[in-house]
Amino acid sequence: QVHLVESGGGVVQPGGSLRLSCAASGFAFNTYGMHWVRQAPGKGLEWVSFIRSDGSTKYYADSVKGRFTVSRDNSKNTLFLQMNSLGVEDTAVFYCARTSLISWGFFDSWGQGALVTVSS
Amino acid sequence: EVVMTQSPVTLYVSPGETATLSCRASQSVGSGLAWYQQRPGQAPRLLIYGASTRATGIPDRFSGSGSGTEFTLTISSLQSEDFAVYYCQQYSHWPLTFGPGTKVDIK
Repeated sequence: QVHLVESGGGVVQPGGSLRLSCAASGFAFNTYGMHWVRQAPGKGLEWVSFIRSDGSTKYYADSVKGRFTVSRDNSKNTLFLQMNSLGVEDTAVFYCARTSLISWGFFDSWGQGALVTVSS
Repeated sequence: EVVMTQSPVTLYVSPGETATLSCRASQSVGSGLAWYQQRPGQAPRLLIYGASTRATGIPDRFSGSGSGTEFTLTISSLQSEDFAVYYCQQYSHWPLTFGPGTKVDIK
């Protein structure tokens, strides 16, 4: 079955950087697009970033554009999110999510999430 | 960007009854609409995509309808595990956007 496990979350000071990873198993990782979606404490869901199966296409939410970079290593079945210039507004649980094969735009499997806390 | 709104904010329903949740888009998204369920402390789970197609393993008491700008999620014969927050999400336009959620709570 599909298994997505995020790691790399933690506490970071404003202006700092963090790199999240998402280890995928149970499916052909190199054939699926992947997303990052975040959820601030007690708030709703916010789409963050998308990367195509081969890494050739990437999209970002305006709120993270220029600060976050999504990447993937298909040889290691792993998705990454490099987050720079973090602000308190970036405090959230970050989920990696798989696209369906029908459309890049919705998420048919989710990881359990990694908490990122930006605080001085 | 496409702004998604959901109503009501909280819906109080008794077990065994039917819950009707609404989702509206600020511009047409065609049938590019998905619904997710999120239980406390858990990741979201895909329920519906294409506005009306149930995802794999989703019970048939969940049904979706609508197109364009108006969508509905109906949950019939509510079970205890259905009390959760439900989000709609459009995927016709980038950036992808979610509604703020509707909490279905026990009456």
